[in-house]
Amino acid sequence: DAGVTQSPTHLIKTRGQHVTLRCSPISGHKSVSWYQQVLGQGPQFIFQYYEKEERGRGNFPDRFSARQFPNYSSELNVNALLLGDSALYLCASSTRDSSYNEQFFGPGTRLTVL
Amino acid sequence: AQSVTQLDSHVSVSEGTPVLLRCNYSSSYSPSLFWYVQHPNKGLQLLLKYTSAATLVKGINGFEAEFKKSETSFHLTKPSAHMSDAAEYFCVVIPGGNYQLIWGAGTKLIIKP
Repeated sequence: DAGVTQSPTHLIKTRGQHVTLRCSPISGHKSVSWYQQVLGQGPQFIFQYYEKEERGRGNFPDRFSARQFPNYSSELNVNALLLGDSALYLCASSTRDSSYNEQFFGPGTRLTVL
Repeated sequence: AQSVTQLDSHVSVSEGTPVLLRCNYSSSYSPSLFWYVQHPNKGLQLLLKYTSAATLVKGINGFEAEFKKSETSFHLTKPSAHMSDAAEYFCVVIPGGNYQLIWGAGTKLIIKP
């Protein structure tokens, strides 16, 4: 069975640009969450979506936005990129919207902002 | 405020010896607690979780953790380390009634041959 997939695997952008990251959950999973992992730190929660609705939002600026599509895949958008946005962006899927359910993580997208 | 503290950024043990990775949490509510492992260039994988059932939780690959409310701790242990255990380990807390996972900074486990 295919796990959580993310694209692209690596991305290089310059300050001020915008970026779109994509995530496909495990088949049958309706919840997708996004995390930012800066080098040397634990992941930081950005968003959770369930059934195309936002169910949770972490402490990130409005430059960060996301959406979930009818097939439960998801996009994370970041506008006006800053150097500090350089990180590994992780997507996780689960069967339901509760964080108590096990989340399955993708390999991540490594974003570098120059 | 809810938080997670992993007391060691690096732990180094010899193969075949016990492993102890320490985690303390603070939470205003009855928390759920998890340990995740991240191998190099691989996704995060759930090792085990505590959700107010038995305080001693057994996970995959021989790992287990004990929830101690009086000490606000959830330390991860394994009786005998294997080379394949070398990875980064994250302690995670979900404060009661909240969707948001709060992650520790991680402990890098190094296994010496």
